Amino acid sequence: AQKVTQAQTEISVVEKEDVTLDCVYETRDTTYYLFWYKQPPSGELVFLIRRNSFDEQNEISGRYSWNFQKSTSSFNFTITASQVVDSAVYFCALIRSGAGSYQLTFGKGTKLSVIP
Amino acid sequence: EAGVTQSPTHLIKTRGQQVTLRCSPISGHTSVYWYQQALGLGLQFLLWYDEGEERNRGNFPPRFSGRQFPNYSSELNVNALELEDSALYLCASSLDQGSISGTQYFGPGTRLTVL
Repeated sequence: AQKVTQAQTEISVVEKEDVTLDCVYETRDTTYYLFWYKQPPSGELVFLIRRNSFDEQNEISGRYSWNFQKSTSSFNFTITASQVVDSAVYFCALIRSGAGSYQLTFGKGTKLSVIP
Repeated sequence: EAGVTQSPTHLIKTRGQQVTLRCSPISGHTSVYWYQQALGLGLQFLLWYDEGEERNRGNFPPRFSGRQFPNYSSELNVNALELEDSALYLCASSLDQGSISGTQYFGPGTRLTVL
């Protein structure tokens, strides 16, 4: 069985603060993919990043950065200098890659509110 | 390039009725996925179609079904609607043929309300 836990249900920060969204996953597979999606109030999920289990290199994209640590089964997401437009629900997801079966698991999401 | 499109945007039905939701994937994408996002339950995987075939389904009853057409567009059918079927139904498409690890791009969703 696999599981994705986003322990933070809601987070509020003041604009320009940094914020880290936690994602902890469980899987028995050695090959898997991790994703982060953003769901703004409009409802449409926006793809942010995809990582495979063999690539532990951290990634930075503008104000966004991701820290993948297999040792702790975590794939945390940091927004630097947060802006009001960052307000959304953020989902972490895990896809198992294996022949003959398919398992996709989303976390429950973290609602981020950035206050001006 | 156009993204994933879904229709209708909103739908109101009564218990026991049937509904059909439609999805057009990004041009060139062959895989289509359906998800249900009900209040408080997060995103639940419903169905995955690739090259016209159902590849996998989530833990939903048989009254949830669908199909994929030769042009890769897809329909989700829900029969005998129940109140708890009220949710946002999201469709996603991906490019990786036959691989479940492809990045999925989502449409805006169809908001279904069952009264």
